[in-house]
Amino acid sequence: GDSVTQMEGPVTLSEEAFLTINCTYTATGYPSLFWYVQYPGEGLQLLLKATKADDKGSNKGFEATYRKETTSFHLEKGSVQVSDSAVYFCALSDPAGGSYIPTFGRGTSLIVHP
Amino acid sequence: EAQVTQNPRYLITVTGKKLTVTCSQNMNHEYMSWYRQDPGLGLRQIYYSMNVEVTDKGDVPEGYKVSRKEKRNFPLILESPSPNQTSLYFCASSSPGLAGGRYNEQFFGPGTRLTVL
Repeated sequence: GDSVTQMEGPVTLSEEAFLTINCTYTATGYPSLFWYVQYPGEGLQLLLKATKADDKGSNKGFEATYRKETTSFHLEKGSVQVSDSAVYFCALSDPAGGSYIPTFGRGTSLIVHP
Repeated sequence: EAQVTQNPRYLITVTGKKLTVTCSQNMNHEYMSWYRQDPGLGLRQIYYSMNVEVTDKGDVPEGYKVSRKEKRNFPLILESPSPNQTSLYFCASSSPGLAGGRYNEQFFGPGTRLTVL
């Protein structure tokens, strides 16, 4: 079946540092890929998405590029802020492979210090 | 405002006492699902529903029941809760859209923190 693997956290950074959170996937069909963010005490919300190979999703300074050849969708941000501290989930949606509801990774906690 | 609501937000109960967590969405979404979130295990799907009267098991369905009698509501039922069901629960909804779900964004509720003593 489909699966998503994320790097384990927590990731601890100083403000203005560069962020990368790795995500790789396996899928039967041609999935869409997503990053969700969960701020403390809240539910998950969509951060960005990409629906085909080489697409770049972006939002709030975060970016991720759909790499079909390496089955990856790594999340990056050039300069993190304390307010970016949250848990980040990579996910895929693959109805052709039977995943009508997205499959989520385990989440990566990001802690940003002033 | 488009949203998914869950009630209660916090619940402390005892082993064996039946409980229901309600979930409602106002976006006319076909798909709804329940997840539990546990430290180190991430988000695990309990049950999902693709439409009224259509439900299916997710990855961890044991000890849970669901029903989908109306499109907007998807309650989660714990007939006989046990301490290993202590967790943070999320309801989510989405619409398949034109591509049969390939592009669908999940909308999440705020979560229900359940403690079973």
